[in-house]
Amino acid sequence: GEDVEQSLFLSVREGDSSVINCTYTDSSSTYLYWYKQEPGAGLQLLTYIFSNMDMKQDQRLTVLLNKKDKHLSLRIADTQTGDSAIYFCAPEDAGNKLTFGGGTRVLVKP
Amino acid sequence: GAVVSQHPSRVICKSGTSVKIECRSLDFQATTMFWYRQFPKQSLMLMATSNEGSKATYEQGVEKDKFLINHASLTLSTLTVTSAHPEDSSFYICSASGGDYGYTFGSGTRLTVV
Repeated sequence: GEDVEQSLFLSVREGDSSVINCTYTDSSSTYLYWYKQEPGAGLQLLTYIFSNMDMKQDQRLTVLLNKKDKHLSLRIADTQTGDSAIYFCAPEDAGNKLTFGGGTRVLVKP
Repeated sequence: GAVVSQHPSRVICKSGTSVKIECRSLDFQATTMFWYRQFPKQSLMLMATSNEGSKATYEQGVEKDKFLINHASLTLSTLTVTSAHPEDSSFYICSASGGDYGYTFGSGTRLTVV
């Protein structure tokens, strides 16, 4: 099955950019999603990228996909304190199932 | 659009009793619903996938007699934890596909078995 890895923790100063990295193993992944989870809450879809794209920008969010290296990243520009949360990458396989990474806890310091 | 309502948000039950968790798609028809379990500071683990009107497909290691899933309509799926024990205490999250944005997640249910 798919194996998805993320770094555990990222600390960033307010106003700086955050970059969250993700690697996956299933080269047949179709869509790749980024979700945000705040304490005690469900998951909020942030953005996604289709596997035939290498970049997608959506306001403060930029997703980069290196399909050859199976590497996905999420860049958050001008990081705010409200961006403090856990971020999950989740590739979707050909069977329409999501596999979640372990999550990256982002802490934004004022 | 694409809202999924999950209830209850928090439940405490006695060991040996059963608990039902509901997941509703409010403004779209959910062709498929998924149930996940999340332990503290860990990722989401898929428990089962359900399609309306058919039996759920359970992931390896998930006891189907313990975690009963019913998907009777295109807008409602339920997860019943039967004969709950303290080790079943966890955060359970549902998601639904069929809306505009791929997968929409519920807000989760914190189950505590005492």
